[in-house]
This record gives sequence, C-alpha cells and structure tokens, in this order.
Amino acid sequence: QQQVKQSPQSLIVQKGGIPIINCAYENTAFDYFPWYQQFPGKGPALLIAIRPDVSEKKEGRFTISFNKSAKQFSLHIMDSQPGDSATYFCAAKPRGAGSYQLTFGKGTKLSVIP
Amino acid sequence: EAQVTQNPRYLITVTGKKLTVTCSQNMNHEYMSWYRQDPGLGLRQIYYSMNVEVTDKGDVPEGYKVSRKEKRNFPLILESPSPNQTSLYFCASSLVGAMNNQPQHFGDGTRLSIL
Repeated sequence: QQQVKQSPQSLIVQKGGIPIINCAYENTAFDYFPWYQQFPGKGPALLIAIRPDVSEKKEGRFTISFNKSAKQFSLHIMDSQPGDSATYFCAAKPRGAGSYQLTFGKGTKLSVIP
Repeated sequence: EAQVTQNPRYLITVTGKKLTVTCSQNMNHEYMSWYRQDPGLGLRQIYYSMNVEVTDKGDVPEGYKVSRKEKRNFPLILESPSPNQTSLYFCASSLVGAMNNQPQHFGDGTRLSIL
C-alpha cells in the first residue's frame, strides 16, 4: 500500500517555467515532509522540508506548499534552469520520539529544456 | 568531508553467490538505513539501524541481512542473491535528534545485477 502518492511521474518544462510536483498522503501521523533531489549517478540529497504547522516554505527558487486539510503538499520551482533537471522525491515521516523512517513517493523525473 | 561511502559501486554476479555491500559514514550518525531504488517504485527501505547492535526490518527485508557492529559501518548482505534483487541500492545515515527531523545523507549508490 503506497502511503505517499506522487505525481506526475515525469515532467518537461522550458527554462524559466515553473514546474509543480504534487504529493498526497493518507497517514495523519505524518508530521515532517521533506523533498529530496537526485542527480544521475548520485544519491538523493535533502532539498527542502516542511512541517504541517506552516502552509508554505521558501528556500531560494524552491517552495513547498502544504494543505493539511487536503493532506497534500507540492514543490514549486521558480525560474527553472537546466541544472534543475533531476529526479525529485517527496517523503513523509511519522511523529513520535524514535521515529526516523521516511516513506518516499515514487519520484518525478524533471527535465528543463534550454 | 562528511560522506556516506558505499562499495562496490557496481557489481555483476550470479544467482546464489553470497555478496556484501559495505556502507560507512564519517559523521558519527546513530541512524543508518538501506534502500533499494527501482524504476517506477521509488525508494523502498530494506533495513534500518538506530544504533550499534540495534537493527530492524523496513518495508522489503526479504532476502537481505544487515549487521551493525560498529557505529560507522552498516553492511548489507545478500546470502543467496536472486535476479529479483537486481536493483540500485542506497545507504543513508542521519543524526538522531530531539526533533526527529534530521536530514538523511545518502551514499552514491551501488548498482547490483544478479544474473
């Protein structure tokens, strides 16, 4: 049973466009939602993360929007660049002391065309 | 440089021949984990460890073993590999913090092909 549903599977945008990647979850025990970025031949690396007590978080050109009632969150990349071409994974972690396991979405392969 | 190091990076082997993928981190992290990444399935957790001598199953543990005898090392063992274990494997580590929101640091992956 997939606990974090991610869409789309792939996305192609032109340079300067604003790609949006969406994730939805069912488990209300999740309380930490990171996004990881993975370049070919490399492991995923933390990009940005949000907790459900805020509706939006920005770091540079990357923004997470969070809708707690809908149990959805999304990643927006402003002024996208060819260097942003990568696979993006959303993830979720349950609350609770000693809880460190991340549940990942299936990933979105983003291609930014010059 | 803070890093998670996996070896080997690539391995082609045959069904039934025991293999070990090593993972080492130099950040003094308590938490370590193994994932496999398959097309269309994302990252799935195999095993994790909260500290030395403490390991537990993730979502897809069948066919795998792990050990955590030292804090820095967390090897993944395939006692009798089968073709369905052909995959890209990642080791990750993180601190165990009061807020539980420490980032996981990933190695660069090990691509295993079981013939």
